[in-house]
Amino acid sequence: DVKVTQSSRYLVKRTGEKVFLECVQDMDHENMFWYRQDPGLGLRLIYFSYDVKMKEKGDIPEGYSVSREKKERFSLILESASTNQTSMYLCASSLGTGGNIQYFGAGTRLSVL
Amino acid sequence: AQSVTQLDSQVPVFEEAPVELRCNYSSSVSVYLFWYVQYPNQGLQLLLKYLSGSTLVESINGFEAEFNKSQTSFHLRKPSVHISDTAEYFCAVSPMNTGFQKLVFGTGTRLLVSP
Repeated sequence: DVKVTQSSRYLVKRTGEKVFLECVQDMDHENMFWYRQDPGLGLRLIYFSYDVKMKEKGDIPEGYSVSREKKERFSLILESASTNQTSMYLCASSLGTGGNIQYFGAGTRLSVL
Repeated sequence: AQSVTQLDSQVPVFEEAPVELRCNYSSSVSVYLFWYVQYPNQGLQLLLKYLSGSTLVESINGFEAEFNKSQTSFHLRKPSVHISDTAEYFCAVSPMNTGFQKLVFGTGTRLLVSP
């Protein structure tokens, strides 16, 4: 079974803090993704990576950065957390191109106070 | 660019009744189509997908979806729902002509099954 593990289920941070969300997959997938999920807005892509050290902006990259130093690990970084970044963050991984399945982690619910 | 519309944000239904969750998409290129399901407090998991071939695709738990190219739709149906089908359902598309994978999701439909 494919496993995508997100380091925290719940996280509470203060405005201005630097926040790291970690994601690890165990299936040697080349693609990894970070989404945020908000009620009524569905999932929106923040960043994705199709290879180690490669990254591409998604639809809402502002205020975020990512790091992929190893194939199995993809980190999302909030350089200076703000209250409007309070959300559910989902990590996913997949093989290859378009028609393949994305496998999701359980999510990290981040609250920025 | 692609967009996905799920007009129904919430669909209440009684157990054993049929249900249809609607999905329409817009794209200038051909796309792959997916339905993902999110059970409470979990991440998303694939329910079914259409890549090519027969336009009717089925899942192992009784859901089916039909790709209609002329209407750019991929509606999800189940003839008889169970309490355990209560979840949020997301329709998604991925363009065929790119060298990498990028899913575009709809806003989701919450299916509420009551006894």
